[in-house]
Amino acid sequence: GNSVTQMEGPVTLSEEAFLTINCTYTATGYPSLFWYVQYPGEGLQLLLKATKADDKGSNKGFEATYRKETTSFHLEKGSVQVSDSAVYFCALSVSSGGSNYKLTFGKGTLLTVNP
Amino acid sequence: GAGVSQSPRYKVAKRGQDVALRCDPISGHVSLFWYQQALGQGPEFLTYFQNEAQLDKSGLPSDRFFAERPEGSVSTLKIQRTQQEDSAVYLCASSFSSSTDTQYFGPGTRLTVL
Repeated sequence: GNSVTQMEGPVTLSEEAFLTINCTYTATGYPSLFWYVQYPGEGLQLLLKATKADDKGSNKGFEATYRKETTSFHLEKGSVQVSDSAVYFCALSVSSGGSNYKLTFGKGTLLTVNP
Repeated sequence: GAGVSQSPRYKVAKRGQDVALRCDPISGHVSLFWYQQALGQGPEFLTYFQNEAQLDKSGLPSDRFFAERPEGSVSTLKIQRTQQEDSAVYLCASSFSSSTDTQYFGPGTRLTVL
């Protein structure tokens, strides 16, 4: 089956620190990979995605590279801000019958950034 | 523009009661998804609609769970004879088409079964 494992939280950083949240996956087939973010009191939002090996997704200073050889999609940001405090979810979907729709999520990682 | 909306935002039910959770997707979105998110866990897929057709209900945990989208727009997730293990946040998402389009999530309905 499909599964996503991401690093346990919570993660607490000071502003301007470097962030890495690890994510590894197992999949039957060739997955697309995603990072979603959930800010306090809000719904899940897509942060970035990558659909094939060696692709790099990026948005709002966050980056993640699709590594097929290590089945990983680690999230990084060079300098976090207080406003980045949120729960981050790694997810995948695998094509089935021509559609790529069923998202499989990790458990989420709570990030708190202190000023 | 308006995003995905869900109602109610919070629902408390006594064990054995039936509940109905509503999802209003983004106008024009063909695909609609329901997910269940238990406390401290990631969302888990429940079911998928393309327009009014329910194409995948493999994630529904039991026959007490039923979802419909009769006119291809608003969807309702119904849970009959609620149990304590049904307590979770129920998330609805929609996307423009059925392929690899981004899924846009609503704020969720937090269901607590006492």
